[in-house]
Amino acid sequence: DTAVSQTPKYLVTQMGNDKSIKCEQNLGHDTMYWYKQDSKKFLKIMFSYNNKELIINETVPNRFSPKSPDKAHLNLHINSLELGDSAVYFCASSQDPGTDTQYFGPGTRLTVL
Amino acid sequence: AQTVTQSQPEMSVQEAETVTLSCTYDTSESDYYLFWYKQPPSRQMILVIRQEAYKQQNATENRFSVNFQKAAKSFSLKISDSQLGDAAMYFCAYRSANSNYQLIWGAGTKLIIKP
Repeated sequence: DTAVSQTPKYLVTQMGNDKSIKCEQNLGHDTMYWYKQDSKKFLKIMFSYNNKELIINETVPNRFSPKSPDKAHLNLHINSLELGDSAVYFCASSQDPGTDTQYFGPGTRLTVL
Repeated sequence: AQTVTQSQPEMSVQEAETVTLSCTYDTSESDYYLFWYKQPPSRQMILVIRQEAYKQQNATENRFSVNFQKAAKSFSLKISDSQLGDAAMYFCAYRSANSNYQLIWGAGTKLIIKP
């Protein structure tokens, strides 16, 4: 059973398009996260939701919009894709944002042409 | 602001031997958590080990153990009896226990296992 799943695993698209990445966790966790890993492997938090409420919103272009329809899902929508958006995007979840370990999804490699 | 530094971009070790990966961090807080994550070529981020700052005892998970030196703000990972499957990027991460619960990540160390 996959604990944190993301779809798609690979996404290749043209500049200017709008795309979404979906994340689901079946761990019963209350908190979910989106991270971006650039080509140099550096990981950076983008957003975090706790019980469907936004608790972390780092300096991210407003072309990126997270959506949490319920506690088990946190989707990432990206408008007007740019070349610099190419990266691997990781979803993660934890029970408690302050104390618990975060468990990661397999990542989505986004390539913008 | 907290920072995490991994000073070794790449390390290599002979299979079955022991290797230590370094991590230092900077914080003014006393209550926090430290993690080592592993990222193999499959890209999956896998938790290796976790340490609570209030615990003096070093965390251990099978062949993986840490040397946590709170005063020195050092958190190294020791891998004993290295196996080919240990080859991966290893990331050290810090998280405050009090506010802004995001993980602060190091730049990673690429571990190569020589057969």
